[in-house]
This record gives sequence, structure tokens and C-alpha cells, in this order.
Amino acid sequence: DQQVKQNSPSLSVQEGRISILNCDYTNSMFDYFLWYKKYPAEGPTFLISISSIKDKNEDGRFTVFLNKSAKHLSLHIVPSQPGDSAVYFCAAASSGNTPLVFGKGTRLSVIA
Amino acid sequence: DTGVSQDPRHKITKRGQNVTFRCDPISEHNRLYWYRQTLGQGPEFLTYFQNEAQLEKSRLLSDRFSAERPKGSFSTLEIQRTEQGDSAMYLCASSFLDHYGYTFGSGTRLTVV
Repeated sequence: DQQVKQNSPSLSVQEGRISILNCDYTNSMFDYFLWYKKYPAEGPTFLISISSIKDKNEDGRFTVFLNKSAKHLSLHIVPSQPGDSAVYFCAAASSGNTPLVFGKGTRLSVIA
Repeated sequence: DTGVSQDPRHKITKRGQNVTFRCDPISEHNRLYWYRQTLGQGPEFLTYFQNEAQLEKSRLLSDRFSAERPKGSFSTLEIQRTEQGDSAMYLCASSFLDHYGYTFGSGTRLTVV
């Protein structure tokens, strides 16, 4: 039973345009959400997070939106750059410090 | 501090052999996590430690798997009697208590032949 779902295995975007990566979750106990980025042969690196008390968090070119009623979050990257090409993982946890639960990832390709 | 280190980076072993992986976390981090990632999947939780105490183990962690974190510093993950299904990337991460921004190592890729 997958609690965190990333239904798009891949996404291609032109350089300079917006990339939108989506994530859905099923566990209503989740109250903290993160995005990680992974390059080949490296471990995932933390990108941005959001707690359930907020519906938006911004950090430079990266913005995460949370829709609790729909159990949906998205990561927006504007403008997209070739160096953003990587696999992006959505992750979630519930208070009480349970370990992070990850989605399967979306491979983003930014085309110059 | 150079981040989270994992050793070895790659391991090829024959089915039935035992293997041991090592993880050196960021020294100030109380928590250490082991995850496993197979092709096309996200990282799947195996177990985690707070200091030297092992606080949680996933159902994925069969009795052939054992993890330790003596003295609350480095950790080892041992797999006994390896099977082909154990082939995966084994990721270690560390964090401060109550902090979800885990720092991951580069992983150990295990291939069981």
C-alpha cells in the first residue's frame, strides 16, 4: 500500500519554463512534507519542505504548495534550468518523528 | 565535516554470502537511518537509531538483516545468506533529533549474483 504517490515517472520541460511535479498521499496523519532531489550515483539531497499548518513555502526558484483537503502537494520550479535535471522524490512524515515515507520519484529533464 | 560517508560504494557478492556495510553519519546528528532503494522505486525505510538505541525496524527487515550503532557513532548493516532479491542501493542518512531534513550518503550498491 503506497502512502505517497508520484504518478508521473518522468517529465520534460524546456529551459526557462515552469516545471510542476505532483505528489499525492493517502495517510491523513502525515503533517510534514519534503522534496528531495537525486542525481545519478549520489544520495538524495533535501530541497524544500512544508508543514501542514501552511499551504505554501517558497525558496528561491522552488515553491511547494500543499492542498490538505485533496491530500496533494506540488513542487514548482521557475525558471527551470538544465542543472535541475534529476529525479525528484516527495516524502512525508507524521508528528511523533516517524521515519520519512518516500514516493517512487519523478525524473525531470530540462531541455536547453 | 564531510557529510555522511558509506563504505563500500559497490559490493558484488555470491548468493549465500554475508555482507556488511558501514555508515559514518554527521558527527552532531543523533539519528541515523537505513533505507533501501531498488530500480524505479523510492527509498524504503529499513531501520533507524537514536544515538545507540535502535528505535524502529520495518517489516522489510527480515531476520537475515541486522543493524548496529555501537556508541551512537557509526553504524553497520549486515545481511546474512544474501539472496538475489537483496540486490539494491542501501542508503544511510542522519539528522538532528526532530528534524526531517535528512542528509543522505551516496549509498552502497549491492549486487548479488
